[in-house]
Amino acid sequence: GAVVSQHPSRVICKSGTSVKIECRSLDFQATTMFWYRQFPKQSLMLMATSNEGSKATYEQGVEKDKFLINHASLTLSTLTVTSAHPEDSSFYICSARPSGHYEQYFGPGTRLTVT
Amino acid sequence: GQNIDQPTEMTATEGAIVQINCTYQTSGFNGLFWYQQHAGEAPTFLSYNVLDGLEEKGRFSSFLSRSKGYSYLLLKELQMKDSASYLCAPRTGGYQKVTFGTGTKLQVIP
Repeated sequence: GAVVSQHPSRVICKSGTSVKIECRSLDFQATTMFWYRQFPKQSLMLMATSNEGSKATYEQGVEKDKFLINHASLTLSTLTVTSAHPEDSSFYICSARPSGHYEQYFGPGTRLTVT
Repeated sequence: GQNIDQPTEMTATEGAIVQINCTYQTSGFNGLFWYQQHAGEAPTFLSYNVLDGLEEKGRFSSFLSRSKGYSYLLLKELQMKDSASYLCAPRTGGYQKVTFGTGTKLQVIP
């Protein structure tokens, strides 16, 4: 149980384009989903927390107009990186917290490369 | 702010026991997670401690002392596949925000 999928697993895009990453909880409902970014040899950095049906809460320094988050249902959240630049290249990981639980379960991550 | 301190790297022998320590300073502490992360992969949940004491789960055990801001992860009967980074992550705040440190990279050698 507690499986989270992410799609795509890898994406290469050109500078200036937008990329959408999907995060799904497959066998549970997730009131809250989280989006993280991880650069090589660095810790997971929380970008935003999204609650189903409401606006995401962004961490300080994360541009909400650049990283659009939509949590339309209890099993799906999407992150759209708009007007991507090479410095946005990173490992993006989502996690989902089952309703009534404290632990988060992570998706397999999406490796984004912006050329 | 949040401050999490773990050793950067550790090496241990297959079959042995290793203890990974973590000290933290946070506001609004609610509990502490341990996650395992293999290189290039997402973290996987290992344990969650809210109360003081030791929680045992198979080969892995986790200990918490809230008054000391201290936790450790104990791995027994080490296997080669246990080579990974181990992340200590306090949970704080109303949104159950979890803060991750840089983790401890454990290398298990034959």
